[in-house]
Amino acid sequence: GENVEQHPSTLSVQEGDSAVIKCTYSDSASNYFPWYKQELGKRPQLIIDIRSNVGEKKDQRIAVTLNKTAKHFSLHITETQPEDSAVYFCAARAGISSGSARQLTFGSGTQLTVLP
Amino acid sequence: DGGITQSPKYLFRKEGQNVTLSCEQNLNHDAMYWYRQDPGQGLRLIYYSQIVNDFQKGDIAEGYSVSREKKESFPLTVTSAQKNPTAFYLCASRSGLAGKNEQFFGPGTRLTVL
Repeated sequence: GENVEQHPSTLSVQEGDSAVIKCTYSDSASNYFPWYKQELGKRPQLIIDIRSNVGEKKDQRIAVTLNKTAKHFSLHITETQPEDSAVYFCAARAGISSGSARQLTFGSGTQLTVLP
Repeated sequence: DGGITQSPKYLFRKEGQNVTLSCEQNLNHDAMYWYRQDPGQGLRLIYYSQIVNDFQKGDIAEGYSVSREKKESFPLTVTSAQKNPTAFYLCASRSGLAGKNEQFFGPGTRLTVL
């Protein structure tokens, strides 16, 4: 099955700096890669996603890049703000040909702290 | 945040007791999922259902059971066979329409075994 590894597990940045979180996946048939943000005690919420036919996607201060050859994808947050502090999870979805088609496998999460 | 609800928010159980967690959605989504979240770990899939009256085991199904008798409901039972049930449980749903990939999460149920 799919295996997703996420690094780092914790990340502290100064307000205004950039943050980068990286994930690798094992199943070359995976075709969808979402990123979720989970604030303390709350539900995960989708912040950005990318499909395997796209190399990069941006939404204001957030961007995701995908390298299919290397099987890794990254979340980039620019001009970080204190409200960006949360746990971020990456995930990968297996393709239709996989026995666990369309199920998401999550990384272990990154606790991002933005210091004022 | 509307559309998918879980109850109760907090649940306490004595060892040896079964307990059922509720998950309801009014989004008309076909697929529903149950995840378990432990500190410092990602979300691990317990069970999922792509359609009414059908469900599949996820990565950590042992000690859990589910049913999908109605499209909007996907209850999870934590049985006494689950060795370490204390965790945060999240339910999610997803539309079955092509191109609709996002999973929407409920607010979660925190289960504590005393």
